[in-house]
Amino acid sequence: GAVVSQHPSWVICKSGTSVKIECRSLDFQATTMFWYRQFPKQSLMLMATSNEGSKATYEQGVEKDKFLINHASLTLSTLTVTSAHPEDSSFYICSATVAGDYNEQFFGPGTRLTVL
Amino acid sequence: QKEVEQNSGPLSVPEGAIASLNCTYSDRVSQSFFWYRQYSGKSPELIMSIYSNGDKEDGRFTAQLNKASQYVSLLIRDSQPSDSATYLCAVNMRGEDTGRRALTFGSGTRLQVQP
Repeated sequence: GAVVSQHPSWVICKSGTSVKIECRSLDFQATTMFWYRQFPKQSLMLMATSNEGSKATYEQGVEKDKFLINHASLTLSTLTVTSAHPEDSSFYICSATVAGDYNEQFFGPGTRLTVL
Repeated sequence: QKEVEQNSGPLSVPEGAIASLNCTYSDRVSQSFFWYRQYSGKSPELIMSIYSNGDKEDGRFTAQLNKASQYVSLLIRDSQPSDSATYLCAVNMRGEDTGRRALTFGSGTRLQVQP
């Protein structure tokens, strides 16, 4: 149980294009999903917290107009990197909590984004 | 600023030994603590959660929590080369900016188990 999927697992795009990453909870309802970014040899950095049916809460320093988050249902959240640049190249990971529980987070397998 | 501190390592232990990973945290009111294992190039995998003071055992893993000392540890018995990974300590904290609770991760300890 508590399986989270992400799609795509990797993506290469040209600078200036937009990329959408999907995060799905496969066997549970997740009222809260989290988006993280991890650069090589660095720790996870929380980007935003996404609640179903409401606007995402972004961490300080994360541009909400660049990283668009939509949490349309209890099993799906999307992160769109708009006008991507090489410095946005990173490992993007989502996680989800079981509905009503703000504790255990289960991570998706991650999406590796490379912007040329 | 609320923090979770871990020794970055690498911690090197021989196969079959006990590996001891430590973590301290700054938020005195935290109630939920987690250990994640992350292999290189992969996402974190939850291996232990602990909420009460004392020890919690699951197979070869034992988590230890001391809230008074704001200290949580992970013991891995009979370490195997496949245990070689980065271990992330995570503490459920209330964000100073958002006021919402979320996991704050330590920078991780890299464990190397030598065959």
